[in-house]
Formats: sequence, C-alpha cells, structure tokens
Amino acid sequence: EADIYQTPRYLVIGTGKKITLECSQTMGHDKMYWYQQDPGMELHLIHYSYGVNSTEKGDLSSESTVSRIRTEHFPLTLESARPSHTSQYLCASSEVTGNEKLFFGSGTQLSVL
Amino acid sequence: DAKTTQPNSMESNEEEPVHLPCNHSTISGTDYIHWYRQLPSQGPEYVIHGLTSNVNNRMASLAIAEDRKSSTLILHRATLRDAAVYYCILSYSGGSNYKLTFGKGTLLTVNP
Repeated sequence: EADIYQTPRYLVIGTGKKITLECSQTMGHDKMYWYQQDPGMELHLIHYSYGVNSTEKGDLSSESTVSRIRTEHFPLTLESARPSHTSQYLCASSEVTGNEKLFFGSGTQLSVL
Repeated sequence: DAKTTQPNSMESNEEEPVHLPCNHSTISGTDYIHWYRQLPSQGPEYVIHGLTSNVNNRMASLAIAEDRKSSTLILHRATLRDAAVYYCILSYSGGSNYKLTFGKGTLLTVNP
C-alpha cells in the first residue's frame, strides 16, 4: 500500500492564480517525480528530484516549478495558471538504488477556467 | 530511448487468464521490463518487473522472450477489478539515474 499523498484531489481555479500542488511521502524515499497526464493519454515526466535540494526537468517542458526542501515533501507550483495547464498531475516516489518500483499518489485533477 | 509497442485495447472474461503482449525490439542489455497498471481515476500502481528470467508475484507473471524483444504479462484469473490500463515500460538508463517513460498502454476490459 502506497504511503504517498497528494492534495488537493481536485482543484478548479481562475486564470492568473498562483497554485501549489502538494505531494508528501512517508517511505523515506530519496527520489520523487511529477508526471502530467491528459485524459486517455500517456504520462509525461515534467520534474524529478534525487533528494533534498535536487530538482531536474523532465522530458516534457512545463511552466511549473518544484522545490525539495525536505525529503518527504515535493510541491509543484504554477505562478500564473492558464487553461492550457488543465490536466491531471501525478506525484511518485522511489528509492534511488535503481530499477526500484515507483509508488504513485492518487493525483490532482486541475481545471483552470 | 528504447520504445515499447502494445495493443491499444484487449478484452477478457472474468476468471479467465489474460495475456497482455508487449514488443520492445530495441531493448538494450541493461534495460529492465516494468509493468504498471492504472485503474480509473487513480495513479498507476506497480505490477511486476524483470530483466531476463520469467518472474512471478502475487499479482501476475511476467514471461520474457529469450531474445528479450518481447514480453507478456499474464493475469492468471482476471477479475472485474483488473480492468485498467496496463503499461509496459523499459527502464531508461541504470543506477540512480533511471526513470520510466510511460506510453499509452493497453486498456483491458473484463466482462462479467
């Protein structure tokens, strides 16, 4: 059973607002990820982190930013939300030993009006 | 990056075995084969992974071809709760730099 939590589960906001999507895990995993997924489409890696103070951009360019100040916490921020940001955002974590399984949260469904 | 090819959809009947195929003809010698599944309105969950030998766990079995250019995920007795999108993924690079690239997967429908 995964111990990784995302809040909020659903978010509807207006254009131009600043938002932060929260992701926390209690497994002590060093590596964390953010994926973006549109309905019926594949997941795209947008950010990942090897550990505290480490952040890397993923395969898909994103206007969002992330931070990793604590091992268990990996929030994603959009400074000015736009309708094109409407999507599902999935957070995941894994150990850093390589080829370890990913644990995913339930996701945040973001709708920007 | 090594790519995988899966059928867009498959259908099965409850309590029957399901064989989900995956082709990965450009796999490298160090790539692991991972399978995840995503139930509706949920994040993906790990199913199984392997390198060369067939693997079994409580959820499924993974059969890997001898040349490693294809693999099959086997659900021994499908239940309605197995209806999901199944992703076959190759690990990208090894060690601490590995990351998984998800494709569109196979949508499995299980009929009662």
